[in-house]
Amino acid sequence: SQKIEQNSEALNIQEGKTATLTCNYTNYSPAYLQWYRQDPGRGPVFLLLIRENEKEKRKERLKVTFDTTLKQSLFHITASQPADSATYLCALDNNAGNMLTFGGGTRLMVKP
Amino acid sequence: DAGVIQSPRHEVTEMGQEVTLRCKPISGHNSLFWYRQTMMRGLELLIYFNNNVPIDDSGMPEDRFSAKMPNASFSTLKIQPSEPRDSAVYFCASNIDRGLGYGYTFGSGTRLTVV
Repeated sequence: SQKIEQNSEALNIQEGKTATLTCNYTNYSPAYLQWYRQDPGRGPVFLLLIRENEKEKRKERLKVTFDTTLKQSLFHITASQPADSATYLCALDNNAGNMLTFGGGTRLMVKP
Repeated sequence: DAGVIQSPRHEVTEMGQEVTLRCKPISGHNSLFWYRQTMMRGLELLIYFNNNVPIDDSGMPEDRFSAKMPNASFSTLKIQPSEPRDSAVYFCASNIDRGLGYGYTFGSGTRLTVV
């Protein structure tokens, strides 16, 4: 069966450290993978998109990697800040074009 | 642009009543999505419209759910009759589909409680 797995346990880190979140998938053939941030009571906000032929993508303090052999994406936030505390969701298509399936999300808590 | 606009923000209704959720996508976006989010099941895609045409409604739970997109600037999701298990946050999202993958813009959601 198809699965998108993110660590359901909250990730607690100290301010200034690098946060690394994992997204693993099974029985998908994504053309691209996306990461979103969701704050309580709000809709998800798009952060980054990485395509199947890209190994890594960066945006300011964010870095995403995509390994189609391991079927895994890693999402890094460097120099983390308390304002980075939120739930982070990965999402991917299934070579079906524009429809995204979301993982369950990982809650990140950055402590001052 | 004001972003994706959903109404109402909160809806409390009694079991058996009809519920209508509304969405205005971002101007110029040609794709619209309805998702449902619960703690147990996460974000689930209900239906996808492209150029106002329903493309995939395989996520619609059952016949009690229906969605329409009469024009490029408006969509509705209707539940009739509503049941307590329909309680969730319903999100509308839109994007531009040019075959290359683009991020979605989500609305703030409608929190539905069916009692």
